[in-house]
Amino acid sequence: GAGVSQTPSNKVTEKGKYVELRCDPISGHTALYWYRQSLGQGPEFLIYFQGTGAADDSGLPNDRFFAVRPEGSVSTLKIQRTERGDSAVYLCASSPQGAGRTEAFFGQGTRLTVV
Amino acid sequence: GDSVTQMEGPVTLSEEAFLTINCTYTATGYPSLFWYVQYPGEGLQLLLKATKADDKGSNKGFEATYRKETTSFHLEKGSVQVSDSAVYFCALNAGGTSYGKLTFGQGTILTVHP
Repeated sequence: GAGVSQTPSNKVTEKGKYVELRCDPISGHTALYWYRQSLGQGPEFLIYFQGTGAADDSGLPNDRFFAVRPEGSVSTLKIQRTERGDSAVYLCASSPQGAGRTEAFFGQGTRLTVV
Repeated sequence: GDSVTQMEGPVTLSEEAFLTINCTYTATGYPSLFWYVQYPGEGLQLLLKATKADDKGSNKGFEATYRKETTSFHLEKGSVQVSDSAVYFCALNAGGTSYGKLTFGQGTILTVHP
């Protein structure tokens, strides 16, 4: 596709369940990012991949959150034992290089609701 | 740590009015500065950027100047249109070990009435 694609667009899950959120970046983009956006707030950095490796995971809030990018393209954000406080819009972005040098292109996000 | 502060919103203007959205930042070193915009139903997209002090970013009639002495990057437009209604986010990239990370402000909702 032409842009960053995120699936599902909406996800409702019960407290304590496991969820996976998928991101398909723009073809050829080596850098991929995950952000979390709570209502009325700006996006909050979670993790940055350069190729297959996590170059910076300093934003992951705790060990319930994990992300992978095994082939350097598609990425999956995994959340274990979900809590109501995890409810937010999860944004994925990609760019040809790191976000300080080139434009980051964002997907429309996955809205996660934990009930 | 790095942070970005935007003026409290929302902002409501009439068409053709002058727009200013204030943004100040805290960062070590020499960050790059950005304005991103989110139109209704769309993803965040880059509006403009500046990578060093005194640089002016511009796009679609919007401008912002990187002021290191006041640590500011205020967004301005001389004459807004209804189509400019959106949420605007100021952001920075601190570089160095934070090379891949954008730090965002809380966003400012702009509504322009005909």
